[in-house]
Amino acid sequence: DIVLTQTPLSLSVTPGQPASISCKSSQSLLNSDGKTYLYWYLQKPGQSPQVLIYEISSRVSGVADKFSGSGSGTDFTLTISRVEAEDVGVYYCMQGLNLPLTFGGGTKVEIK
Amino acid sequence: QLQLQESGPGVVKPSETLSLTCTVSGDSISGRSYYWAWIRQPPGQGLEWIGSIFNGDTFYNSSLKSRVAISVDSSKNQFSLRVNFVTAADTAVYYCARPYGGHWGRGILVTVSS
Repeated sequence: DIVLTQTPLSLSVTPGQPASISCKSSQSLLNSDGKTYLYWYLQKPGQSPQVLIYEISSRVSGVADKFSGSGSGTDFTLTISRVEAEDVGVYYCMQGLNLPLTFGGGTKVEIK
Repeated sequence: QLQLQESGPGVVKPSETLSLTCTVSGDSISGRSYYWAWIRQPPGQGLEWIGSIFNGDTFYNSSLKSRVAISVDSSKNQFSLRVNFVTAADTAVYYCARPYGGHWGRGILVTVSS
């Protein structure tokens, strides 16, 4: 199984400041079709996860451009350029290269 | 717009069978080749993939494989989950999803308790 390791476990951010979350995979997520199946989700309190980013860096329609994804191979980063109160929750990375689908352990983002 | 809705009992007794149904609207479950999945989240914990169905083939998490079954009812545009011989460790919010498209249901809390 592919293991995804997220750091940090939690972040406390001043509104308007940036935040970054790391996701490291136990193996490359690059598929033979040239795509890298790494996703970023945000789970707001009491809600189901909502996808923000797919294939490392493609933003889902309707997601604010303050969210950006980067990386390649086994190392990935989600960056929030200016954190706002509405961004609080738990962020998860997910790999879709192989079954079983696996998720990072989550990073809890809160506002200072 | 694709929507998924889980339904089923909120409480299941230990050693019995958990049965949930996901009703899909906004797209045909059999119209195109998509992975449909069940994913669960124990209280206060992370996300665990249970299994998927794709073009009639099923795939399960090895940690649950002997107790789990996923099936599709195309006539009702639904897919279902069964987990046999449940224990307290199966208490979780259960989500149905089309995870590669980022579509998830709202989730249903299932508590295993006598």
